[in-house]
Amino acid sequence: GAGVSQSPRYKVAKRGQDVALRCDPISGHVSLFWYQQALGQGPEFLTYFQNEAQLDKSGLPSDRFFAERPEGSVSTLKIQRTQQEDSAVYLCASSLLAGGGELFFGEGSRLTVL
Amino acid sequence: GIQVEQSPPDLILQEGANSTLRCNFSDSVNNLQWFHQNPWGQLINLFYIPSGTKQNGRLSATTVATERYSLLYISSSQTTDSGVYFCAVNTGNQFYFGTGTSLTVIP
Repeated sequence: GAGVSQSPRYKVAKRGQDVALRCDPISGHVSLFWYQQALGQGPEFLTYFQNEAQLDKSGLPSDRFFAERPEGSVSTLKIQRTQQEDSAVYLCASSLLAGGGELFFGEGSRLTVL
Repeated sequence: GIQVEQSPPDLILQEGANSTLRCNFSDSVNNLQWFHQNPWGQLINLFYIPSGTKQNGRLSATTVATERYSLLYISSSQTTDSGVYFCAVNTGNQFYFGTGTSLTVIP
């Protein structure tokens, strides 16, 4: 596609519900990153994929967070048993090169947990 | 991880004024990018500038990698320049973001 696409743009969940956020990167981009951005803060790294391989998941805040990119293109970030502190904007980015290169972001998915 | 500091944290300008935003980083990096986060939250690429100087219209950027800093210049500011400006540096498999400079341009 022309740019990085994320869905849904907005998600409201009740505490304890599971949510799934989707990212469709730019076609042909090798690297895919997930970031979490709290209000008034800079984006914080969650996880990194090189094609289908999840090479770095050091930023995932708990084992309730899980990400996958099974065919090396679309990625899904899943949050189980959501908590209020999970409320944030979840940003996906992709780049053409492995591990670096110019990063392009999607519009983000804003999650609100009630 | 690497530390990225941006200054100033907040900036208010009169339309037409010039400004310089600074990004300091604590270690050697492979890449550096400047982004503008618009009021709707989208991160817009401004510059991909691991070293040297680039210009794009009223904006320009300079990165001095050996001294671990980058500068973003905004000339003749417009109200549409308002928003948060982030620099992000890449080392290994991660990009690290600064805390941003919040710019408000008033007419």
